[in-house]
Amino acid sequence: DQQVKQNSPSLSVQEGRISILNCDYTNSMFDYFLWYKKYPAEGPTFLISISSIKDKNEDGRFTVFLNKSAKHLSLHIVPSQPGDSAVYFCAARAIQGAQKLVFGQGTRLTINP
Amino acid sequence: NAGVTQTPKFRILKIGQSMTLQCTQDMNHNYMYWYRQDPGMGLKLIYYSVGAGITDKGEVPNGYNVSRSTTEDFPLRLELAAPSQTSVYFCASSLPNPGQGADTQYFGPGTRLTVL
Repeated sequence: DQQVKQNSPSLSVQEGRISILNCDYTNSMFDYFLWYKKYPAEGPTFLISISSIKDKNEDGRFTVFLNKSAKHLSLHIVPSQPGDSAVYFCAARAIQGAQKLVFGQGTRLTINP
Repeated sequence: NAGVTQTPKFRILKIGQSMTLQCTQDMNHNYMYWYRQDPGMGLKLIYYSVGAGITDKGEVPNGYNVSRSTTEDFPLRLELAAPSQTSVYFCASSLPNPGQGADTQYFGPGTRLTVL
Protein backbone atom coordinates (compact mmCIF):
# COMPACT_ATOMS: atom_id res chain seq x y z
CA ASP A 1 0.00 0.00 0.00
CA GLN A 2 1.81 3.07 -1.32
CA GLN A 3 0.71 5.92 0.94
CA VAL A 4 2.93 8.49 -0.79
CA LYS A 5 3.16 8.39 -4.57
CA GLN A 6 5.29 10.21 -7.07
CA ASN A 7 3.85 9.12 -10.38
CA SER A 8 6.52 10.62 -12.60
CA PRO A 9 9.77 8.62 -12.43
CA SER A 10 11.58 11.27 -14.44
CA LEU A 11 11.28 14.86 -15.61
CA SER A 12 13.41 16.84 -18.06
CA VAL A 13 13.39 20.65 -18.00
CA GLN A 14 15.28 23.37 -19.84
CA GLU A 15 17.67 25.47 -17.77
CA GLY A 16 16.01 28.68 -16.61
CA ARG A 17 12.48 27.29 -16.88
CA ILE A 18 10.20 26.11 -14.07
CA SER A 19 10.40 22.55 -12.75
CA ILE A 20 7.24 21.16 -11.15
CA LEU A 21 7.45 17.90 -9.23
CA ASN A 22 4.26 16.29 -7.98
CA CYS A 23 3.35 14.06 -5.06
CA ASP A 24 0.05 12.47 -3.97
CA TYR A 25 -0.79 10.89 -0.64
CA THR A 26 -3.63 8.79 0.70
CA ASN A 27 -3.33 9.02 4.49
CA SER A 28 -5.34 11.94 5.90
CA MET A 29 -3.38 11.63 9.18
CA PHE A 30 -0.24 13.06 7.58
CA ASP A 31 0.45 16.43 9.17
CA TYR A 32 3.83 17.43 7.75
CA PHE A 33 5.39 17.05 4.34
CA LEU A 34 9.00 17.31 3.25
CA TRP A 35 11.04 17.25 0.07
CA TYR A 36 14.49 15.69 -0.02
CA LYS A 37 17.05 15.91 -2.78
CA LYS A 38 19.49 13.13 -3.56
CA TYR A 39 22.62 13.12 -5.70
CA PRO A 40 24.20 9.82 -6.85
CA ALA A 41 26.28 8.03 -4.20
CA GLU A 42 25.11 10.44 -1.50
CA GLY A 43 22.39 10.35 1.14
CA PRO A 44 19.23 12.43 0.75
CA THR A 45 19.43 16.03 1.98
CA PHE A 46 16.51 18.05 3.30
CA LEU A 47 15.24 20.70 0.90
CA ILE A 48 11.96 22.24 2.09
CA SER A 49 8.92 21.32 4.18
CA ILE A 50 5.35 22.39 4.80
CA SER A 51 2.93 21.92 7.66
CA SER A 52 -0.61 20.78 6.97
CA ILE A 53 -1.92 24.08 8.38
CA LYS A 54 -0.32 25.97 5.49
CA ASP A 55 -0.84 25.80 1.74
CA LYS A 56 2.44 27.31 0.59
CA ASN A 57 6.03 27.61 1.77
CA GLU A 58 8.83 29.40 -0.04
CA ASP A 59 12.59 29.22 0.30
CA GLY A 60 14.52 31.03 -2.39
CA ARG A 61 13.98 29.30 -5.73
CA PHE A 62 11.96 26.51 -4.10
CA THR A 63 8.25 26.65 -3.29
CA VAL A 64 6.10 23.83 -2.00
CA PHE A 65 2.32 23.92 -2.42
CA LEU A 66 -0.11 21.76 -0.46
CA ASN A 67 -3.69 21.02 -1.53
CA LYS A 68 -5.18 19.10 1.40
CA SER A 69 -8.56 18.47 -0.21
CA ALA A 70 -6.87 16.82 -3.18
CA LYS A 71 -4.17 15.21 -1.00
CA HIS A 72 -1.59 16.61 -3.37
CA LEU A 73 1.60 18.57 -3.01
CA SER A 74 4.01 19.97 -5.52
CA LEU A 75 7.52 21.39 -5.54
CA HIS A 76 8.28 24.31 -7.86
CA ILE A 77 11.84 25.24 -8.75
CA VAL A 78 12.26 28.60 -10.48
CA PRO A 79 14.52 29.17 -12.31
CA SER A 80 15.87 25.65 -12.78
CA GLN A 81 19.66 25.30 -12.75
CA PRO A 82 21.93 22.43 -13.85
CA GLY A 83 22.87 21.78 -10.21
CA ASP A 84 19.22 20.95 -9.54
CA SER A 85 19.61 17.71 -11.50
CA ALA A 86 19.01 15.03 -8.86
CA VAL A 87 16.38 12.62 -7.55
CA TYR A 88 13.69 14.34 -5.48
CA PHE A 89 11.77 12.45 -2.80
CA CYS A 90 8.51 13.55 -1.28
CA ALA A 91 8.00 12.41 2.34
CA ALA A 92 5.15 12.65 4.84
CA ARG A 93 4.84 12.32 8.60
CA ALA A 94 1.79 10.97 10.41
CA ILE A 95 0.77 12.57 13.69
CA GLN A 96 0.64 9.20 15.38
CA GLY A 97 3.92 8.09 13.86
CA ALA A 98 6.28 10.15 15.99
CA GLN A 99 9.17 11.11 13.74
CA LYS A 100 8.66 8.34 11.19
CA LEU A 101 8.55 9.43 7.58
CA VAL A 102 6.91 7.70 4.62
CA PHE A 103 8.71 8.34 1.33
CA GLY A 104 7.54 8.41 -2.26
CA GLN A 105 9.42 6.56 -5.00
CA GLY A 106 11.31 9.62 -6.17
CA THR A 107 11.42 11.66 -9.39
CA ARG A 108 14.66 12.04 -11.32
CA LEU A 109 14.94 15.65 -12.48
CA THR A 110 17.30 16.49 -15.34
CA ILE A 111 18.01 20.12 -16.18
CA ASN A 112 19.19 20.55 -19.75
CA PRO A 113 21.48 23.48 -20.66
CA ASN B 1 31.07 17.88 12.59
CA ALA B 2 31.19 14.79 10.39
CA GLY B 3 27.40 14.41 10.63
CA VAL B 4 26.21 10.86 9.98
CA THR B 5 28.86 8.37 8.90
CA GLN B 6 28.29 4.84 7.62
CA THR B 7 30.66 1.95 7.06
CA PRO B 8 31.31 0.10 4.86
CA LYS B 9 30.44 1.93 1.63
CA PHE B 10 30.11 -1.30 -0.35
CA ARG B 11 29.84 -4.96 0.59
CA ILE B 12 29.17 -8.24 -1.20
CA LEU B 13 27.82 -11.09 0.92
CA LYS B 14 27.09 -14.70 0.17
CA ILE B 15 23.68 -16.13 1.04
CA GLY B 16 23.56 -17.07 4.71
CA GLN B 17 26.44 -14.86 5.80
CA SER B 18 25.99 -12.21 8.46
CA MET B 19 27.28 -8.68 8.81
CA THR B 20 26.82 -5.45 10.72
CA LEU B 21 26.33 -2.10 9.05
CA GLN B 22 27.78 0.65 11.20
CA CYS B 23 26.24 4.08 11.73
CA THR B 24 27.58 6.91 13.88
CA GLN B 25 26.40 10.48 14.33
CA ASP B 26 28.19 13.29 16.15
CA MET B 27 25.31 15.76 16.39
CA ASN B 28 23.96 14.44 19.71
CA HIS B 29 20.68 13.54 18.05
CA ASN B 30 18.24 11.45 20.06
CA TYR B 31 16.47 9.85 17.10
CA MET B 32 18.15 7.48 14.66
CA TYR B 33 16.77 5.48 11.75
CA TRP B 34 17.67 2.79 9.27
CA TYR B 35 16.17 2.80 5.77
CA ARG B 36 16.62 0.67 2.71
CA GLN B 37 16.18 1.87 -0.85
CA ASP B 38 15.52 -0.61 -3.62
CA PRO B 39 15.92 0.41 -7.29
CA GLY B 40 13.11 2.70 -8.44
CA MET B 41 11.59 2.74 -4.98
CA GLY B 42 11.47 5.18 -2.12
CA LEU B 43 13.12 4.71 1.22
CA LYS B 44 11.49 2.20 3.52
CA LEU B 45 12.00 2.35 7.28
CA ILE B 46 13.58 -0.77 8.78
CA TYR B 47 14.09 0.18 12.44
CA TYR B 48 14.30 3.36 14.45
CA SER B 49 15.41 4.46 17.90
CA VAL B 50 14.27 7.39 20.04
CA GLY B 51 17.23 7.15 22.40
CA ALA B 52 19.86 4.87 23.86
CA GLY B 53 18.36 1.54 24.87
CA ILE B 54 15.09 2.09 22.96
CA THR B 55 14.42 0.66 19.51
CA ASP B 56 11.30 -0.13 17.51
CA LYS B 57 10.33 -1.76 14.25
CA GLY B 58 9.61 0.17 11.11
CA GLU B 59 7.86 -0.91 7.95
CA VAL B 60 10.26 -3.71 6.85
CA PRO B 61 12.09 -5.14 9.93
CA ASN B 62 12.18 -8.83 9.00
CA GLY B 63 15.70 -10.21 8.66
CA TYR B 64 17.32 -7.36 10.59
CA ASN B 65 18.22 -6.51 14.16
CA VAL B 66 19.41 -3.30 15.81
CA SER B 67 20.79 -2.12 19.09
CA ARG B 68 21.35 1.34 20.57
CA SER B 69 23.77 1.25 23.48
CA THR B 70 24.98 4.84 23.01
CA THR B 71 23.50 8.07 21.63
CA GLU B 72 26.09 8.10 18.83
CA ASP B 73 25.90 4.57 17.43
CA PHE B 74 23.07 2.61 15.81
CA PRO B 75 24.36 -0.58 14.14
CA LEU B 76 22.14 -2.71 11.87
CA ARG B 77 22.69 -6.47 11.92
CA LEU B 78 21.87 -8.92 9.13
CA GLU B 79 22.00 -12.46 10.53
CA LEU B 80 21.32 -14.69 7.50
CA ALA B 81 21.76 -12.66 4.35
CA ALA B 82 19.29 -13.30 1.53
CA PRO B 83 19.21 -11.96 -2.07
CA SER B 84 16.09 -9.96 -1.15
CA GLN B 85 18.30 -7.87 1.14
CA THR B 86 20.31 -6.54 -1.79
CA SER B 87 19.73 -2.82 -1.46
CA VAL B 88 21.24 0.53 -0.50
CA TYR B 89 21.00 1.15 3.23
CA PHE B 90 20.79 4.63 4.69
CA CYS B 91 21.16 5.64 8.30
CA ALA B 92 19.67 8.94 9.47
CA SER B 93 19.37 10.94 12.67
CA SER B 94 17.27 13.82 13.98
CA LEU B 95 16.41 15.84 17.04
CA PRO B 96 12.95 15.25 18.46
CA ASN B 97 10.57 18.06 17.61
CA PRO B 98 7.38 17.88 19.65
CA GLY B 99 5.80 20.96 18.06
CA GLN B 100 4.19 21.53 14.72
CA GLY B 101 7.46 21.39 12.89
CA ALA B 102 8.71 18.00 11.87
CA ASP B 103 12.25 17.04 12.52
CA THR B 104 14.77 17.27 9.74
CA GLN B 105 16.44 13.94 9.23
CA TYR B 106 20.14 13.99 8.36
CA PHE B 107 21.26 11.07 6.24
CA GLY B 108 24.54 9.24 5.90
CA PRO B 109 26.03 8.48 2.46
CA GLY B 110 24.67 4.92 2.38
CA THR B 111 25.99 1.35 2.22
CA ARG B 112 25.48 -0.56 -1.02
CA LEU B 113 24.95 -4.23 -0.17
CA THR B 114 24.78 -7.09 -2.66
CA VAL B 115 23.84 -10.61 -1.59
CA LEU B 116 24.75 -13.35 -4.05
